[in-house]
Amino acid sequence: AQKITQTQPGMFVQEKEAVTLDCTYDTSDQSYGLFWYKQPSSGEMIFLIYQGSYDEQNATEGRYSLNFQKARKSANLVISASQLGDSAMYFCAMRDLRGGGADGLTFGKGTHLIIQP
Amino acid sequence: EPEVTQTPSHQVTQMGQEVILRCVPISNHLYFYWYRQILGQKVEFLVSFYNNEISEKSEIFDDQFSVERPDGSNFTLKIRSTKLEDSAMYFCASSEWGVGWENYEQYFGPGTRLTVT
Repeated sequence: AQKITQTQPGMFVQEKEAVTLDCTYDTSDQSYGLFWYKQPSSGEMIFLIYQGSYDEQNATEGRYSLNFQKARKSANLVISASQLGDSAMYFCAMRDLRGGGADGLTFGKGTHLIIQP
Repeated sequence: EPEVTQTPSHQVTQMGQEVILRCVPISNHLYFYWYRQILGQKVEFLVSFYNNEISEKSEIFDDQFSVERPDGSNFTLKIRSTKLEDSAMYFCASSEWGVGWENYEQYFGPGTRLTVT
């Protein structure tokens, strides 16, 4: 079974600062994917970034980067130069890749990020 | 940009009634998913669907739930006899074919908020 742990229920960050959202995971699978989604107050789920377990480089997408430490089973999201529009819930998720597209995502409980001006 | 759509955006129903939630996945996608998110909690996987049959399902997806692709575009989730605890946001998602260790992003719809009274 897979498990995602996000230990920060809420965070306050000053605008333009960098922010790190923590995520640790547990799995017995060898090939898996790690994801971050953003959920604004409007409710939709917005995909941010993906990291495969065999990827040697940390994933980056614009202001988002994923600090992947496989031995520690952590996949922290780093947002550089935070903006007011970054205020939202952030969910870390994972899934097994062996089954192709069949497996659903396992989500953590989320971190509520609030960017202050 | 293609997107997953869901109808209705909000449904109110009485306990014991049947509801059908509708989704139109992205047209060239082959895997379809349902997730639910009880208010204030994490997103939970319900079921995945491929080639007109269920691929994977979670323990939440019991006999009161069913899924169907009644035509070439719609994907539905039916809850046979709703309970108060079925009140949640239900998200539909779709992805392209995923083979082996390849990852294909799951695109989420905007969700249907189901309220059971």
